[in-house]
Amino acid sequence: DTEVTQTPKHLVMGMTNKKSLKCEQHMGHRAMYWYKQKAKKPPELMFVYSYEKLSINESVPSRFSPECPNSSLLNLHLHALQPEDSALYLCASSQAVGTGARLADTGELFFGEGSRLTVL
Amino acid sequence: GNSVTQMEGPVTLSEEAFLTINCTYTATGYPSLFWYVQYPGEGLQLLLKATKADDKGSNKGFEATYRKETTSFHLEKGSVQVSDSAVYFCALSGSQGGSEKLVFGKGMKLTVNP
Repeated sequence: DTEVTQTPKHLVMGMTNKKSLKCEQHMGHRAMYWYKQKAKKPPELMFVYSYEKLSINESVPSRFSPECPNSSLLNLHLHALQPEDSALYLCASSQAVGTGARLADTGELFFGEGSRLTVL
Repeated sequence: GNSVTQMEGPVTLSEEAFLTINCTYTATGYPSLFWYVQYPGEGLQLLLKATKADDKGSNKGFEATYRKETTSFHLEKGSVQVSDSAVYFCALSGSQGGSEKLVFGKGMKLTVNP
């Protein structure tokens, strides 16, 4: 099983709503990522979790709040978003540093299909 | 910091045409280099990789060689198919805060017509 599953696939929310994006993987990966992708642009890294601990926050506004409840799950909590936050949000996973299988060696981030978010 | 510069396109080719997508990089140390592909409506998937100088990555008829002297990792395919229509991203690995992340180029949209 090499799948990263993201829910929901589509989400429309108002600027005052609170919602969450969810991501799940069962490949035993200990690094998980959130990326944001605007149309016709490359993915931009938001957060990295390694062994369930936040290790990289790319200066993301606090209206985005990540959570890693266990090694298989990654959430992104959304609150008071702006219309410019509308984008495709991609979750990914990989072997973590220290497992003997570094990202640079394995070469592979496993991506989900993304959650397309529209903020009205 | 680390960065990747690639052809942005979009590019339209006829089936069986030759494809080259240029990619050059700037990095400290010895990064690994990757090509990822994003088919319409999907997430990204690894196409091929090279982890050291002069390595050649290959997959599905695509090839790229890690050239340290020219800091390049150009993607080539001798005969493209309609099913190769997608967005192609060049990327390199980097380290930060004890974790690793990929730095992506801007991506190039390829359309292959029958």
